Amino acid sequence: AQSVSQHNHHVILSEAASLELGCNYSYGGTVNLFWYVQYPGQHLQLLLKYFSGDPLVKGIKGFEAEFIKSKFSFNLRKPSVQWSDTAEYFCAVGAWNQGGKLIFGQGTELSVKP
Amino acid sequence: GAVVSQHPSRVICKSGTSVKIECRSLDFQATTMFWYRQFPKQSLMLMATSNEGSKATYEQGVEKDKFLINHASLTLSTLTVTSAHPEDSSFYICSAQRPGQLNTEAFFGQGTRLTVV
Repeated sequence: AQSVSQHNHHVILSEAASLELGCNYSYGGTVNLFWYVQYPGQHLQLLLKYFSGDPLVKGIKGFEAEFIKSKFSFNLRKPSVQWSDTAEYFCAVGAWNQGGKLIFGQGTELSVKP
Repeated sequence: GAVVSQHPSRVICKSGTSVKIECRSLDFQATTMFWYRQFPKQSLMLMATSNEGSKATYEQGVEKDKFLINHASLTLSTLTVTSAHPEDSSFYICSAQRPGQLNTEAFFGQGTRLTVV
């Protein structure tokens, strides 16, 4: 069965600390990979995406993620977090050519202390 | 960028009544939209795929008679929660994708918080 697993449910960091959120997926085929962010009271916003090509993708707000096919992973990173990064982060996987039909991880709540 | 809008953003209804949630794509025609459900502190779970002009495709375990989906136009899909009960209280989110662009991201609505009392 297809699944997405995020390792951390709640991460607490101080400002300027580095961030890495883990994401592993289980799927027997070519996939598209996404990280979405949900700020309190707001809708999901796309942080970054991977469809093909360079496995290191850069997104908005200084975030990046690396697709490691052999590990079925797509971890999210940011070298220096800010208080404004406090939000819920979701990793999602979509099958190639199946459009917007996504399987989401359980989410990671990030709290950044000022 | 593309915008998807949901209405209402919050709704409180009495147990046994039905509630309709609208999902509109504002600047493109969406032949396919998706409906998700998010329980508190949990992830989004795909409920169904809404197809313009045809029946929706429901995920396993989702009651099609409970969650009625209508995609009558290229810019509007509706989700009706029929005979709502407290356990239907949840956050419902729709998404849409530009037609003919399967390998692009979907755009999400702001979600609808349903509370059944």
